[in-house]
Amino acid sequence: EAGVAQSPRYKIIEKRQSVAFWCNPISGHATLYWYQQILGQGPKLLIQFQNNGVVDDSQLPKDRFSAERLKGVDSTLKIQPAKLEDSAVYLCASSPRGANSPLHFGNGTRLTVT
Amino acid sequence: GQQVMQIPQYQHVQEGEDFTTYCNSSTTLSNIQWYKQRPGGHPVFLIQLVKSGEVKKQKRLTFQFGEAKKNSSLHITATQTTDVGTYFCAGPPDDKIIFGKGTRLHILP
Repeated sequence: EAGVAQSPRYKIIEKRQSVAFWCNPISGHATLYWYQQILGQGPKLLIQFQNNGVVDDSQLPKDRFSAERLKGVDSTLKIQPAKLEDSAVYLCASSPRGANSPLHFGNGTRLTVT
Repeated sequence: GQQVMQIPQYQHVQEGEDFTTYCNSSTTLSNIQWYKQRPGGHPVFLIQLVKSGEVKKQKRLTFQFGEAKKNSSLHITATQTTDVGTYFCAGPPDDKIIFGKGTRLHILP
């Protein structure tokens, strides 16, 4: 089966600019996650979708971050405006049955904010 | 808030020595998952434990889930250079999966 696809792989922007990341989960996976992983730390959950509804977005900085999952398949994560501390790897993951099934991660997008 | 803690943060072992990482949750977990992340890579699922007191083995790796379903451990016997990476535990206290900070394993030749 095809894995989780993410793009772009790398992105360099200046602070206060905008950026968007795209994720295509494994076909048939109802649950989609966006995690932020800062160098040397564990993945931090930003938002979790079940189909096209939001299950949890309690750690999403909503003043600058937004995410959507139209039609319950692809998802985009946007940052506007970016700050220096947003430099991290943004990982998308999907699972077939939510928190009781394993996560399949994409390769991630490495964001550098200068 | 809900937390998943791992110790140690770093571990250096000689090749051939054993390695253990421990995971503790502040709340009871419905299951515990373990992932491995190689340098520059993304987390890859290793195993899921569901039952209280469960023990599972994958070749040289042994995973345990505590009786109270709040702690877990991963033990690697006779480490090899291919074991290098960061090992994360992750648990769903509810519908979301929270990751620990991981244990970074370095193998000394």
